[in-house]
Amino acid sequence: AQRVTQPEKLLSVFKGAPVELKCNYSYSGSPELFWYVQYSRQRLQLLLRHISRESIKGFTADLNKGETSFHLKKPFAQEEDSAMYYCALLTQGGSEKLVFGKGTKLTVNP
Amino acid sequence: DGGITQSPKYLFRKEGQNVTLSCEQNLNHDAMYWYRQDPGQGLRLIYYSQIVNDFQKGDIAEGYSVSREKKESFPLTVTSAQKNPTAFYLCASTSRRGIGYTFGSGTRLTVV
Repeated sequence: AQRVTQPEKLLSVFKGAPVELKCNYSYSGSPELFWYVQYSRQRLQLLLRHISRESIKGFTADLNKGETSFHLKKPFAQEEDSAMYYCALLTQGGSEKLVFGKGTKLTVNP
Repeated sequence: DGGITQSPKYLFRKEGQNVTLSCEQNLNHDAMYWYRQDPGQGLRLIYYSQIVNDFQKGDIAEGYSVSREKKESFPLTVTSAQKNPTAFYLCASTSRRGIGYTFGSGTRLTVV
């Protein structure tokens, strides 16, 4: 069965500190993973996809198949990074769908 | 201005009533999805449709129904059989695999 685990419900850091939001997955196929972000009073939006290996707003995430992880990292957190972050796995086959983790609420303190 | 529009933004329902949440997109996307978002639960998939006139149950379909008569529309009906309908409902769509979903702004349903 496919599953996405985000072990931290809440994460609090100070401005300028490094931040890492953890994501682990369970999937028998070849995973495609995403990070979505939801800022206060805004709609859920795509932050980045592992397949494009991009860096958005200073965030990066590397897929580690050995550890089945896709942790989101940023070297210097900013107050505007405060938001809800969701890791998601795209399943394969005829019925493709995104499976989400329960989310991590990041608070960046001044 | 392309995007997904969900209406209404807030909806109140009496116990025993059915209500229908609207989701419309003008992005020409083939696939559409309904998720339910509860605090501490993340997003859980209710129903999805990858093509007009076809849809599949997600993980928590009981008490819900959908239709997909037009490409741009994917309404969700919350029936009286849904035991705990109070939640935030999100609609999403995508054009092809791997590029990510576009989400609507959501409908907050409250049972009174």
